Amino acid sequence: GEDVEQSLFLSVREGDSSVINCTYTDSSSTYLYWYKQEPGAGLQLLTYIFSNMDMKQDQRLTVLLNKKDKHLSLRIADTQTGDSAIYFCAENPSQKLVFGTGTRLLVSP
Amino acid sequence: DAGVIQSPRHEVTEMGQEVTLRCKPISGHDYLFWYRQTMMRGLELLIYFNNNVPIDDSGMPEDRFSAKMPNASFSTLKIQPSEPRDSAVYFCASSPTGGLRFSEQYFGPGTRLTVT
Repeated sequence: GEDVEQSLFLSVREGDSSVINCTYTDSSSTYLYWYKQEPGAGLQLLTYIFSNMDMKQDQRLTVLLNKKDKHLSLRIADTQTGDSAIYFCAENPSQKLVFGTGTRLLVSP
Repeated sequence: DAGVIQSPRHEVTEMGQEVTLRCKPISGHDYLFWYRQTMMRGLELLIYFNNNVPIDDSGMPEDRFSAKMPNASFSTLKIQPSEPRDSAVYFCASSPTGGLRFSEQYFGPGTRLTVT
């Protein structure tokens, strides 16, 4: 079945790196996504990775994909207080997305 | 483009009343999705449309919920009668058809519904 799992909470200090992990179940997903939700706002696409890639880097963001283990991670370098938000990973077994439970990232000064 | 537009942003109503949430997708997007977000259940897909036709409504919780898309630029989600357990944030999202990133969804700001 479709199931995407994430840890619920991560706390880091400003300037440290953050790593948010996700496991998914559907190996047919073409893309895997990371969305960010700030308080009181909708989800915003942060980055994505094509399923035949192992890694994608986009400025402070690094996405790692381990297809064998169905494991996806998002690394945020030099984490800032403005990065505090909920981060969702999502797989797309079809046109619809299956979202994880979300990881709340808290960045303290 | 203004992005996905939802109205109202906040709605407070009494149990038993009818509630209508509205969404305008991004122009040119052929897919429209309705989600509900609560602390207990997280983000749930309620229904989605393709070219104004409902494709999958398996997430609609009960017959009290209905959704329509009369044209490409407008959709409604109606709850009648509303109950306190319907209190949540309701999101609308749209995505384009075709291309490699066909499932990339763009979310509206959400409607926070409180049923007392």
